[in-house]
Amino acid sequence: DGGITQSPKYLFRKEGQNVTLSCEQNLNHDAMYWYRQDPGQGLRLIYYSQIVNDFQKGDIAEGYSVSREKKESFPLTVTSAQKNPTAFYLCASSIWTSGNEEQFFGPGTRLTVL
Amino acid sequence: ILNVEQSPQSLHVQEGDSTNFTCSFPSSNFYALHWYRWETAKSPEALFVMTLNGDEKKKGRISATLNTKEGYSYLYIKGSQPEDSATYLCAFIAPLRFSNSGYALNFGKGTSLLVTP
Repeated sequence: DGGITQSPKYLFRKEGQNVTLSCEQNLNHDAMYWYRQDPGQGLRLIYYSQIVNDFQKGDIAEGYSVSREKKESFPLTVTSAQKNPTAFYLCASSIWTSGNEEQFFGPGTRLTVL
Repeated sequence: ILNVEQSPQSLHVQEGDSTNFTCSFPSSNFYALHWYRWETAKSPEALFVMTLNGDEKKKGRISATLNTKEGYSYLYIKGSQPEDSATYLCAFIAPLRFSNSGYALNFGKGTSLLVTP
């Protein structure tokens, strides 16, 4: 089946530890995105990648890092510099980035920092 | 961050009722408006991508209209069914704030719809 997978579904980490969230797509999409959802807020863009080896900061990139070494994969690292990392993280992809293409979303990872 | 406002925040209707929600967005420099449906424990799914003023799109019992001059879009559901229960998100396309190229979706907080039998 074509789609986007995120793993794990739930993740628990101790404060001060870096953690990497996985996102893989087999839709052959060029563009990939990471969003964060907090209670009572809309989805907010963390990072965005138009093509392999390229990525751009979104509105809330501080404390996060990404890589895009393969078209299919766009992992997100939540570093210890992120002051409030507990949240629900969604990965998405789209064919291109003109804005007219719908985005396809993964199932999300809920990160809890203890 | 561009302000995308959705109203109402939540809605509870009976099966068979028709309902509508509003999405308000900045009317200047319009690129596109997206509507997504997000059911509990599932991934958000695209309903509509709207680009032209006066656009009206339909998918089954769900339709949407777009007014780019005044900065709003309406989503209508005719004869609501329990399976329509979900959060409906609208998102406005705008250039990335921290980049010289690329566009990003700016999401509203969503309207949570509950349809009871």
